[in-house]
Parts: sequence; C-alpha cells; structure tokens
Amino acid sequence: DADVTQTPRNRITKTGKRIMLECSQTKGHDRMYWYRQDPGLGLRLIYYSFDVKDINKGEISDGYSVSRQAQAKFSLSLESAIPNQTALYFCATDPSGGRNEKLFFGSGTQLSVL
Amino acid sequence: QQQVKQSPQSLIVQKGGISIINCAYENTAFDYFPWYQQFPGKGPALLIAIRPDVSEKKEGRFTISFNKSAKQFSLHIMDSQPGDSATYFCAASLLQGAQKLVFGQGTRLTINP
Repeated sequence: DADVTQTPRNRITKTGKRIMLECSQTKGHDRMYWYRQDPGLGLRLIYYSFDVKDINKGEISDGYSVSRQAQAKFSLSLESAIPNQTALYFCATDPSGGRNEKLFFGSGTQLSVL
Repeated sequence: QQQVKQSPQSLIVQKGGISIINCAYENTAFDYFPWYQQFPGKGPALLIAIRPDVSEKKEGRFTISFNKSAKQFSLHIMDSQPGDSATYFCAASLLQGAQKLVFGQGTRLTINP
C-alpha cells in the first residue's frame, strides 16, 4: 500500500497567517488529491493533480492554492487563513491510472484557525 | 449541490446486531460506488465497492446492496463488533475519466459491547 505522509499532524494558527500543509508519498502514484473533512459535510475535494504539470480545482478551491513540486510531493497552502478553514485536511493518492478505483489517504492534518 | 446523500449521521448498534447505512445519489452516470472506513486519527481506507451491474456484493460481514432504479445503495454490517466502531463514508464516481469521487456526509457508527 501507498505510504502517504502528511505534515504537520496538528497546527494552530491565527487569522491572516499563511499556512502550508505538506504531503509526500513513496509509491510513485501519479494522481494526488487534497480533501477537507468537516462534521456533517463529509470529504470535499479542494484540488487534485494528475501529474507534475497538471493542477485542477476541486469543489471548494477558493482560499487555497497548491504546488506539485515533484511526483511525490503535493503541498496545500492557505494564503491568508480564516476561521472557517478550521478542518481536518487529508492528502490522498490514486494508483489506478485513471480508473478511480482506490484512494490511499494520509493520516490527516488537523488545522485550527483562531 | 450534494450529489451523494448519506444517512444516518450517527448510529448506535449493540454487539452482534446489524448495522445499516444508506446512501442516495443523483447522477445516473455514476458507475462505481465504494465505501470507506475511517478510524479515529486515521485517514479513510477503502472497505468494499460495487459496480451497478450487480445488486449485491459481500465481503465477510460487510455487504453492499445496490438498487439502480431507486439510485440508492447501502452498507450492511452483520454481527457488528466493537472493532467496527468507526466513521463510514459512501462515495460515487465514474470509473473511467476525470470525474472524481464524490463522498457522502459520513456516518459515525458505535457498536456497544
């Protein structure tokens, strides 16, 4: 199975600060995703990338940006954090080569914006 | 627009009982319906999945029932155990192409010993 590592695991920040969440994977999967999880709302897609040169907006991309620095690294940035971005953030990879069969998730980053 | 609606939001079942979680979808083009299981402090992990060419898929104590005409599918956990306590997400997508997985709202399942 893919080893998907997210850092940090927890982060508390203040409104207006810039925050970067990092994700790395060791299995060479081309597709990577960022989701946020909120109680009662499930998992919502923020951004996804099919390869290093391909970045796509998801369902809720406003207020976020991403960088695919390498096949193994996909970072999520909040340029100016706001309290309603407090959530549990997950990075995921997809080894299926276009078949959407299985996502491998990291353990998440709990972000609190005060 | 919530393309996949999941219920209930939370569920408490006694050990040995049957846990049932329901999902309904809107997009008739969806052709892949997975369920993910998430334990506290962990990311979701694929549990079981079904394609709409079958009405039921069983893996151990976990069964997906699929009703294409009603655009509904459900997860049944037989002989529920305390170790099954977790959050469960249904999802839907197109198996091919750029359509991403769309997740339901999640169900927090608690199995009482």
